[in-house]
Amino acid sequence: DGGITQSPKYLFRKEGQNVTLSCEQNLNHDAMYWYRQDPGQGLRLIYYSQIVNDFQKGDIAEGYSVSREKKESFPLTVTSAQKNPTAFYLCASSILDTNTEAFFGQGTRLTVV
Amino acid sequence: GQQVMQIPQYQHVQEGEDFTTYCNSSTTLSNIQWYKQRPGGHPVFLIQLVKSGEVKKQKRLTFQFGEAKKNSSLHITATQTTDVGTYFCAAGGYQKVTFGTGTKLQVIP
Repeated sequence: DGGITQSPKYLFRKEGQNVTLSCEQNLNHDAMYWYRQDPGQGLRLIYYSQIVNDFQKGDIAEGYSVSREKKESFPLTVTSAQKNPTAFYLCASSILDTNTEAFFGQGTRLTVV
Repeated sequence: GQQVMQIPQYQHVQEGEDFTTYCNSSTTLSNIQWYKQRPGGHPVFLIQLVKSGEVKKQKRLTFQFGEAKKNSSLHITATQTTDVGTYFCAAGGYQKVTFGTGTKLQVIP
């Protein structure tokens, strides 16, 4: 099955620890994105990447880091510098074109205690 | 940067009533996309509008793109409990997709 997979679905971490969220796609999409969603809120863009070994900051990149070493993979690290890391994180991918839809993973719900 | 606002933020309707959500952009859009997110789920693409004044229908859902390509609407006729969820508009772009704030729809049986 073609798709985009995020793991784990639920993640608990202690305050001050870095944590990495996985995102893998087998759709052969060039573009990949990370969004953050807080309760009752819309989707805010954290980082995006259009090509391997290149990525750009979105609207709320502070406290996060990413890498794009392979086309299929776009992991997100939530660092201890992120003030309010508890949220629902969504990864998405698309072909690199203006008029194209984004395909989303199932999401990872991160809780920092 | 580009901002996409949606109204209302929340809407409760009786089953069988109609529902409409509106999306407004601060800039002219090349296209507008609509997504639906079920409770606890992830956004799923519904449709894309590209042309000025375009209207598209999917069963009970009607999507419109404004003449100036700065606003859009989604209308659901005779809502059902399966329509429950949050509806997002999104401004498509070459580099990134900017999502609206979303409208959360509750349908009362």
